[in-house]
Amino acid sequence: NAGVTQTPKFQVLKTGQSMTLQCAQDMNHNSMYWYRQDPGMGLRLIYYSASEGTTDKGEVPNGYNVSRLNKREFSLRLESAAPSQTSVYFCASSEYPGSNQPQHFGDGTRLSIL
Amino acid sequence: TQLLEQSPQFLSIQEGENLTVYCNSSSVFSSLQWYRQEPGEGPVLLVTVVTGGEVKKLKRLTFQFGDARKDSSLHITAAQPGDTGLYLCYSWGKLQFGAGTQVVVTP
Repeated sequence: NAGVTQTPKFQVLKTGQSMTLQCAQDMNHNSMYWYRQDPGMGLRLIYYSASEGTTDKGEVPNGYNVSRLNKREFSLRLESAAPSQTSVYFCASSEYPGSNQPQHFGDGTRLSIL
Repeated sequence: TQLLEQSPQFLSIQEGENLTVYCNSSSVFSSLQWYRQEPGEGPVLLVTVVTGGEVKKLKRLTFQFGDARKDSSLHITAAQPGDTGLYLCYSWGKLQFGAGTQVVVTP
């Protein structure tokens, strides 16, 4: 029962390098989300995809791009990594983007940018 | 801008004590969710509250939603070390989490 799977779990990049974080869910959920978590700031929404074929910006989209590859997969790309993007990144999914829907989270990708 | 304010930021208590954490906003919530996050893992949903004045219980955890739907609280009775974690409130209407309350329960 995998739920939401994120790869990689850890990554160290140099400033200016690019990288794609992968996320896949096996719950047949329509909606998927990318968050970053920094100390003292909770989780902040980067981008989300309410349904296959749609993506929308969240609170902190600058420096990131996303692709909803299919219903299962939602990737996050850093085109030119900056030290300010050092964070823990979480992917989540929900059946629909609605007020009573639980979000199911992966275990995160810990990303350090030197 | 943090629209959901959680307090306190950090709480350290002994096993068996009670604790309360709060989530407040200047605007009305359509509904509110509480999550708990343990180290190295993603958050896990504890409860969703929808109706003003609503009270929900989950074993030793009691969740209240304010009458005006601008605030919520989580009360833990007789805390245990297994209650240690980061408690986060979430608003679907704002697509936003609060900054969280880190709770540490020591034996």
